[in-house]
Amino acid sequence: AQKVTQAQTEISVVEKEDVTLDCVYETRDTTYYLFWYKQPPSGELVFLIRRNSFDEQNEISGRYSWNFQKSTSSFNFTITASQVVDSAVYFCALSEATTGANSKLTFGKGITLSVRP
Amino acid sequence: DTAVSQTPKYLVTQMGNDKSIKCEQNLGHDTMYWYKQDSKKFLKIMFSYNNKELIINETVPNRFSPKSPDKAHLNLHINSLELGDSAVYFCASSPLAVVSDTQYFGPGTRLTVL
Repeated sequence: AQKVTQAQTEISVVEKEDVTLDCVYETRDTTYYLFWYKQPPSGELVFLIRRNSFDEQNEISGRYSWNFQKSTSSFNFTITASQVVDSAVYFCALSEATTGANSKLTFGKGITLSVRP
Repeated sequence: DTAVSQTPKYLVTQMGNDKSIKCEQNLGHDTMYWYKQDSKKFLKIMFSYNNKELIINETVPNRFSPKSPDKAHLNLHINSLELGDSAVYFCASSPLAVVSDTQYFGPGTRLTVL
């Protein structure tokens, strides 16, 4: 069975601080996909990144970066120089490597990030 | 241009009523999903459809019945609503052909059962 653990439940930082959101996953599959989604206070779910299990290169997108470590089954997300607009709930999710409607996402419980001015 | 849309955004109703939530996507995707987010923000899949065919049904009570009139629409009908059905329901869609492709979510429908 697949499982995603986001041990941090709430994080509060002051603007411009760097913050890392942890994600640890469990799966028996050798091929799988990992995702991060953002849920701002307005409630929608915003896709941030998708990464397959064969690609362990770190990814950077502006102030966002992701560190995928297969050896520790972790896919951590770092926000550099955080801003108030980064305040949201962040979800890590896992999917088996299947096509179409079999690709269900297993979500972690989410991390509530509050960035104070 | 709204990619995945849901109506209504808010739904308040009494126990025992029947209600529907509509979802439409204009992304040309073949696959659509319903997820439920509970009061603790935990997200869990309920159903998935592939081109109008039900694929995943995650032990959801049979009071919940998804209906897909075409591949761009996936509606969720709920009979005999219970207090525990109060949640935010998200629709999502993704392409069929790409392995575990990104699922794009609608804005959610907040259902409150009184």
